[in-house]
Amino acid sequence: GENVEQHPSTLSVQEGDSAVIKCTYSDSASNYFPWYKQELGKGPQLIIDIRSNVGEKKDQRIAVTLNKTAKHFSLHITETQPEDSAVYFCAASPNTGNQFYFGTGTSLTVIP
Amino acid sequence: NAGVTQTPKFRVLKTGQSMTLLCAQDMNHEYMYWYRQDPGMGLRLIHYSVGEGTTAKGEVPDGYNVSRLKKQNFLLGLESAAPSQTSVYFCASSSQGAVNTEAFFGQGTRLTVV
Repeated sequence: GENVEQHPSTLSVQEGDSAVIKCTYSDSASNYFPWYKQELGKGPQLIIDIRSNVGEKKDQRIAVTLNKTAKHFSLHITETQPEDSAVYFCAASPNTGNQFYFGTGTSLTVIP
Repeated sequence: NAGVTQTPKFRVLKTGQSMTLLCAQDMNHEYMYWYRQDPGMGLRLIHYSVGEGTTAKGEVPDGYNVSRLKKQNFLLGLESAAPSQTSVYFCASSSQGAVNTEAFFGQGTRLTVV
């Protein structure tokens, strides 16, 4: 099955700085890559996703990039704010699959 | 708009006891999932269902059973709880499985087995 690795496991940034979280995957058949944000005491919630026919996608301060050749994708958060503090999960899924394969999560802390 | 609702939110069990976690979704989704979340290990799939009356094993199914008798409900059972099953459990649902579609998560059940 698919194997998704995520780095770093923890990340601290000053408010206003950028944060980058990286993930790699193993299955070349994977073609959908969502990112989830989990706030304390809550379930994960989708914040952005990218499909394999696209190299980059942006939504306000959040962007995701995908390199299918290298099998890695990244989440970029610019102008970080304290409310960005949360655990972020990347995931990958093959187009024939019934399940998502999640990374191990990154705990992001934005220091005011 | 409730989305995905998990019951209960917290539970403490003694080793060997049994319990059932209930997940209910009101979005008419076909796919439902049970995950466990442990520190440093992310979200690991226990069991999932691709429709009413169907279930399948995920990555860590041992010690758990599931049932999907109604489309909107997905039950996770622990027949004989063990301390290793101490975890936070999340239910999720999606309309088209993992094919280019969002998964909606419940708020989680924190289970402690003593």
